Amino acid sequence: ELQLLESGGGLVQPGGSLRLSCAASGFIFSSCAMSWVRQSPGKGLQWVSSISGSGANRWYADSVKGRFTISRDNSKHTLYLQMNFLRTEDTAIYFCAKMSALNGAFESWGQGTMVTVSS
Amino acid sequence: DIQMTQSPPSLSASVGDRVTITCQASQDISTYLNWYQQKPGKVPKLLIYDASNLETGVPSRFSGSGSGTDFTFTISSLQPEDFATYYCQQYGSLWSFGQGTKVEIK
Repeated sequence: ELQLLESGGGLVQPGGSLRLSCAASGFIFSSCAMSWVRQSPGKGLQWVSSISGSGANRWYADSVKGRFTISRDNSKHTLYLQMNFLRTEDTAIYFCAKMSALNGAFESWGQGTMVTVSS
Repeated sequence: DIQMTQSPPSLSASVGDRVTITCQASQDISTYLNWYQQKPGKVPKLLIYDASNLETGVPSRFSGSGSGTDFTFTISSLQPEDFATYYCQQYGSLWSFGQGTKVEIK
């Protein structure tokens, strides 16, 4: 059974850093592009970043470019999001998502990890 | 960046009603458009991919159409379990979501 389990969320002050992890199982991790999508409390979905299966290609939303870094360790079946220079507007649930191999859909989602940026 | 304009932001409907949601892209995205359902406290679920293709296991009362910049999502006969928020999402250039449409009980 496919599983995506995020961890690493918490409370951090503005300007601080946090690293999220997403442990994947139940599929061939290295073959799949992966993404981070976030949802601020009571708000809509916002794509954050994506990475190809090999890790060679990475994409970022303008709102996080230069502050967040997506990476993966295929030997550990784990996806990461390093978040630096955090802002209050980064407060959200961060979901890890497996991308469809056939189209640009987020076909499977983890339960998410909450990140709160506040002083 | 491609902006997705979804409407209406919310709607009230009764069981059995036909419900239609629209999504407009700021530039041509061909049929690179997906639709999701999200219930409170749950993760999003993919319903429709590539504008009009039903994801496996999704009831046939859900459908999608459109290409280019204008897309439509329809529930032919609303069921109690369909009350949720629906999002469109494009992948014509990077990825982005519409603002969502909350379908509430009338």
